[in-house]
Amino acid sequence: DTEVTQTPKHLVMGMTNKKSLKCEQHMGHRAMYWYKQKAKKPPELMFVYSYEKLSINESVPSRFSPECPNSSLLNLHLHALQPEDSALYLCASSQGGGESYEQYFGPGTRLTVT
Amino acid sequence: KNQVEQSPQSLIILEGKNCTLQCNYTVSPFSNLRWYKQDTGRGPVSLTIMTFSENTKSNGRYTATLDADTKQSSLHITASQLSDSASYICVVTVNSGGYQKVTFGTGTKLQVIP
Repeated sequence: DTEVTQTPKHLVMGMTNKKSLKCEQHMGHRAMYWYKQKAKKPPELMFVYSYEKLSINESVPSRFSPECPNSSLLNLHLHALQPEDSALYLCASSQGGGESYEQYFGPGTRLTVT
Repeated sequence: KNQVEQSPQSLIILEGKNCTLQCNYTVSPFSNLRWYKQDTGRGPVSLTIMTFSENTKSNGRYTATLDADTKQSSLHITASQLSDSASYICVVTVNSGGYQKVTFGTGTKLQVIP
């Protein structure tokens, strides 16, 4: 199984709402990633978890709050978002940092902030 | 200036024809270089992965090359099909211990027409 799953597929939320994005993998990968992708642009790294600890926060606004409850699960909690936060949010995982390790991406959550 | 530049930005080819996409990078040192295919609104799917010491890798009709001296890579698609229409992204990875730090290229949008 080389699958990374993400839920929901689509999400529409108002600027005062609180919602969460979920990502799951059962490949035993110890590194998990959140990316944000705007239309016609490459993905931008937001957060990296390694062995369930936050390793990278790319200066992401605090209205995005990541959580890694266990090695298989990664959440992204959303609160008081802005319309410019509308984007495709991608989760990925890798076995670790090794040079031969693949990074597998989920299908993404299409987020629209109204 | 992006550390991973791709060309052309977009490309239209006839079904059945071959094409070659280019990637120039300045990221150094790196662990591996990957080519991903991304359909609109979906997560990237890995096509090939090459480490520093490899200079060619094939996956069906996709063949990637790597010249680490000139810091260039190419992706050759043979006998294109309509389903090849997508964005192709070159990704350079640096091993940061327990995780991978990736730099995405600017992407090439390929359209295959009948």
